[in-house]
Amino acid sequence: KAGVTQTPRYLIKTRGQQVTLSCSPISGHRSVSWYQQTPGQGLQFLFEYFSETQRNKGNFPGRFSGRQFSNSRSEMNVSTLELGDSALYLCASSPGGAGETQYFGPGTRLLVL
Amino acid sequence: AQRVTQPEKLLSVFKGAPVELKCNYSYSGSPELFWYVQYSRQRLQLLLRHISRESIKGFTADLNKGETSFHLKKPFAQEEDSAMYYCALSGGGAQKLVFGQGTRLTINP
Repeated sequence: KAGVTQTPRYLIKTRGQQVTLSCSPISGHRSVSWYQQTPGQGLQFLFEYFSETQRNKGNFPGRFSGRQFSNSRSEMNVSTLELGDSALYLCASSPGGAGETQYFGPGTRLLVL
Repeated sequence: AQRVTQPEKLLSVFKGAPVELKCNYSYSGSPELFWYVQYSRQRLQLLLRHISRESIKGFTADLNKGETSFHLKKPFAQEEDSAMYYCALSGGGAQKLVFGQGTRLTINP
């Protein structure tokens, strides 16, 4: 099976802009989770979508949002970008059951200038 | 609150020596615990999880609920083990991983 894919791989934006990142899960996986990775804070959970519904949410401001489509593909959006949003954004997919292994994509590296 | 602590940011050992990467957690219920590894220029991937109790690439990890630890061990390190290792926890049935800060393991020839 093909692995988790993320597009684009790299992005450069300026403060105040918004950005949309995309994630395609492994075929058959219904859960998609998003994580932010920074040198200072490490890997932090953003949110999880399952069957087009947000099922879990981390402690990020409302500028961070997401959605999931009927084919399980997911997007996350960050509005009004701040310098501190520069990070590697990882998505992970799993079948969706409790405690199942999550499989990670390569990430999208976002740089905010 | 859920928390994972990896006390060593960097760990360097010689090839053939034993390796132990420490992981302590804080969680009030019964957690699911994982070790993920990231090799250079590769994506984050699962190394092992406590529920499977299997050995992957010679690594093992035992969940010690009394000490709330899930240390990763390998008796004889190999150069290809050099990587970033993350301990992670999920609980309450949620598909939410709480990660430790990671340990960068370097195996010296």
